[in-house]
Amino acid sequence: EAQVTQNPRYLITVTGKKLTVTCSQNMNHEYMSWYRQDPGLGLRQIYYSMNVEVTDKGDVPEGYKVSRKEKRNFPLILESPSPNQTSLYFCASRSFGGTGELFFGEGSRLTVL
Amino acid sequence: GDSVTQMEGPVTLSEEAFLTINCTYTATGYPSLFWYVQYPGEGLQLLLKATKADDKGSNKGFEATYRKETTSFHLEKGSVQVSDSAVYFCALMEYGNKLVFGAGTILRVKS
Repeated sequence: EAQVTQNPRYLITVTGKKLTVTCSQNMNHEYMSWYRQDPGLGLRQIYYSMNVEVTDKGDVPEGYKVSRKEKRNFPLILESPSPNQTSLYFCASRSFGGTGELFFGEGSRLTVL
Repeated sequence: GDSVTQMEGPVTLSEEAFLTINCTYTATGYPSLFWYVQYPGEGLQLLLKATKADDKGSNKGFEATYRKETTSFHLEKGSVQVSDSAVYFCALMEYGNKLVFGAGTILRVKS
């Protein structure tokens, strides 16, 4: 089954404790992206990657890091989480050809105390 | 820059009512337009899309027409069901790269 898998789905952590949210897709997509969803703000792009070893900032990259060492994986790293990073995070992927449809993971709800 | 504006919600309707969710956009070129739906506890999934002016996207009884003259892509359904309760996002993609989302509209359908 074609899918984007994120882990963990839920996490409560404390300020300053480094964490990583993993994202993996099995569709051989070149493009991967991270979004955060906040009430009234919709989805805002954090980082994206056009292919292996190619990453770029989105609209709200501050406080986040990413890496793309393999085509299927695109982890989101919070080196020193703060309460304003409490949010619902989505990973998404797509191919460059075809319909342009983005395929989303089920989301990771992060709470930073 | 590019932007998408959606009507604020929540929108509350009775079953079998007619639905319209307004969406307008600002873009420098000729974007592709999308509606995504997010059911409770799930990620977003594509509902329908249109890639050029006057195209109509349709799926699951939902429709939206790409109106270049009014820069709009309003979502409509003739008869909503309780199972349509979800958050609906309008989005645009320009130059085949970044997807820009609206803020989302919550739809609640009561039986």
